[in-house]
Amino acid sequence: GAGVSQSPSNKVTEKGKDVELRCDPISGHTALYWYRQSLGQGLEFLIYFQGNSAPDKSGLPSDRFSAERTGGSVSTLTIQRTQQEDSAVYLCASSPVRAVEAFFGQGTRLTVV
Amino acid sequence: QKEVEQNSGPLSVPEGAIASLNCTYSDRVSQSFFWYRQYSGKSPELIMSIYSNGDKEDGRFTAQLNKASQYVSLLIRDSQPSDSATYLCAVNLRRAGGTSYGKLTFGQGTILTVHP
Repeated sequence: GAGVSQSPSNKVTEKGKDVELRCDPISGHTALYWYRQSLGQGLEFLIYFQGNSAPDKSGLPSDRFSAERTGGSVSTLTIQRTQQEDSAVYLCASSPVRAVEAFFGQGTRLTVV
Repeated sequence: QKEVEQNSGPLSVPEGAIASLNCTYSDRVSQSFFWYRQYSGKSPELIMSIYSNGDKEDGRFTAQLNKASQYVSLLIRDSQPSDSATYLCAVNLRRAGGTSYGKLTFGQGTILTVHP
């Protein structure tokens, strides 16, 4: 597939557990974004990677959230000690070099019980 | 003031009418503007991008950009029930004096319902 791929599609976890969400961007895209969308709400920016530059982490809501991008490709968003308020759809998007049209994956629906 | 604001919804129009969606942004040097459509339970889908002042048409969709007024809009002509969705305005916010693109910032979205 040529699109942005996210896994898992759905994740149910117990409060206090750690979770990892994966994003595989479109091949060749240097920019990668993570957003969070709670039910009925807009997109909340979390973190932005652009090439080899330092990531923009200004949207991460707490130090329980972290993300990395290995080899300029796949990204993993990690949430430690999950809380019920972390329940949301986590969306990943990527965009190509020197252009900013971002294309989204299908999202990961996280439910913390 | 929010960085990207959309007109409050929901917006309801009859089939065949023109739907008008509006968006304002706070950063004067922003260069890139986008409209996304999001169906319920799905991820956002890019439908229009615009970079220069004026109008850009693609089928039934027209995006309008006025950088002086910091305003971007989306017109949907001959609206169809299948156009019923949430429409998200997105702006690439680049700060004055900045040399690289920044993050893509979204408005809260406008829910559009096209009724037969």
